[in-house]
Amino acid sequence: GDSVTQMEGPVTLSEEAFLTINCTYTATGYPSLFWYVQYPGEGLQLLLKATKADDKGSNKGFEATYRKETTSFHLEKGSVQVSDSAVYFCARVSSGSARQLTFGSGTQLTVLP
Amino acid sequence: DARVTQTPRHKVTEMGQEVTMRCQPILGHNTVFWYRQTMMQGLELLAYFRNRAPLDDSGMPKDRFSAEMPDATLATLKIQPSEPRDSAVYFCASGPPAENTEAFFGQGTRLTVV
Repeated sequence: GDSVTQMEGPVTLSEEAFLTINCTYTATGYPSLFWYVQYPGEGLQLLLKATKADDKGSNKGFEATYRKETTSFHLEKGSVQVSDSAVYFCARVSSGSARQLTFGSGTQLTVLP
Repeated sequence: DARVTQTPRHKVTEMGQEVTMRCQPILGHNTVFWYRQTMMQGLELLAYFRNRAPLDDSGMPKDRFSAEMPDATLATLKIQPSEPRDSAVYFCASGPPAENTEAFFGQGTRLTVV
């Protein structure tokens, strides 16, 4: 079935470091791909999305490119801030009538000043 | 500012009691999801609805959990009887009719069963 595999955490970085969080997805159908962020005590918020191959989603300095050839959607940011500390979830939505939203296991990011 | 509204935000109850969690999806959204989040299991899909009809509730323990949509503006998740292992944060999310779109999450209900 549809699944998303996410890089194991937790990840701890110093401020201004480069961030990569890996995400791969099963290649069934033509899914849309998402990154969600969850700050402490809050619900999940959409960070960025890409709906087809080679699309690049971007928001708040974060980027991810939909790579069909490697079935990947890695999240990157060139210079992280303390305020980026949160849990990040990769997700896919299946196409067609099912349209079920499937999440990865989440990656806890802590950015130290 | 359209948002998914969940009530209550926090609930503490004794084992054996009935718990009802409510969700008001964003107006115009026709897909509703219920997720449960715990440290051990992460984010688990319990059930989801399209146009008020249940499409998949295979993630939900049927003997004690039930999910319904009495109308398009209200989704409910009930646990009867509740158990300490049900302690978690329960999230509702809604999605628009368009294909392959994201879901919008509520703030969650933090349930503690003692």
